[in-house]
Amino acid sequence: DADVTQTPRNRITKTGKRIMLECSQTKGHDRMYWYRQDPGLGLRLIYYSFDVKDINKGEISDGYSVSRQAQAKFSLSLESAIPNQTALYFCATGTTGNQPQHFGDGTRLSIL
Amino acid sequence: AQSVTQPDIHITVSEGASLELRCNYSYGATPYLFWYVQSPGQGLQLLLKYFSGDTLVQGIKGFEAEFKRSQSSFNLRKPSVHWSDAAEYFCAVVGSGGYQKVTFGTGTKLQVIP
Repeated sequence: DADVTQTPRNRITKTGKRIMLECSQTKGHDRMYWYRQDPGLGLRLIYYSFDVKDINKGEISDGYSVSRQAQAKFSLSLESAIPNQTALYFCATGTTGNQPQHFGDGTRLSIL
Repeated sequence: AQSVTQPDIHITVSEGASLELRCNYSYGATPYLFWYVQSPGQGLQLLLKYFSGDTLVQGIKGFEAEFKRSQSSFNLRKPSVHWSDAAEYFCAVVGSGGYQKVTFGTGTKLQVIP
């Protein structure tokens, strides 16, 4: 089984809909991250969490919210989806910042 | 502010040829440096990392990278490319202070031709 599992893997939805992307991990890591990947832009950090009670905005948090339900679960929500949120979304986990992060396989989200 | 530049968006090499992917970083002190690979439909996988010590680091799948402080570079190399190496490669820098923010480069897509 994958260490970092993202659901769904693919999602097509309409403008204005509320969307939730889920991430769960079995690595026992305290830190969890949500990134967005767009062609030519690399990965950009949306939100990160160092533990259940510590959630922080990343560089592109507008239009997104998160919930850390447990150490192993970190969800990303788009309250009212818009087309420019169409992207590939990745969840990652980690320990300290100088250790590599471990990534899920991504969720491809298309907003029409 | 820290930053990472991968100047090559797309590189094409023949199978069996050598490969070098460029990465330049900007950071006020010695950073932590990483190379990740992303195969289609998958997340990023760590190839190798540099924290300190020997400036030539070995990674998985036959890759290596050399840290050159004078050039602020951390280029990824492989002596002989295999078709399975076709993927997108990301360089990343982590600052040593604060929350240790990770900054990713924009990626280099590698195409391997037979």
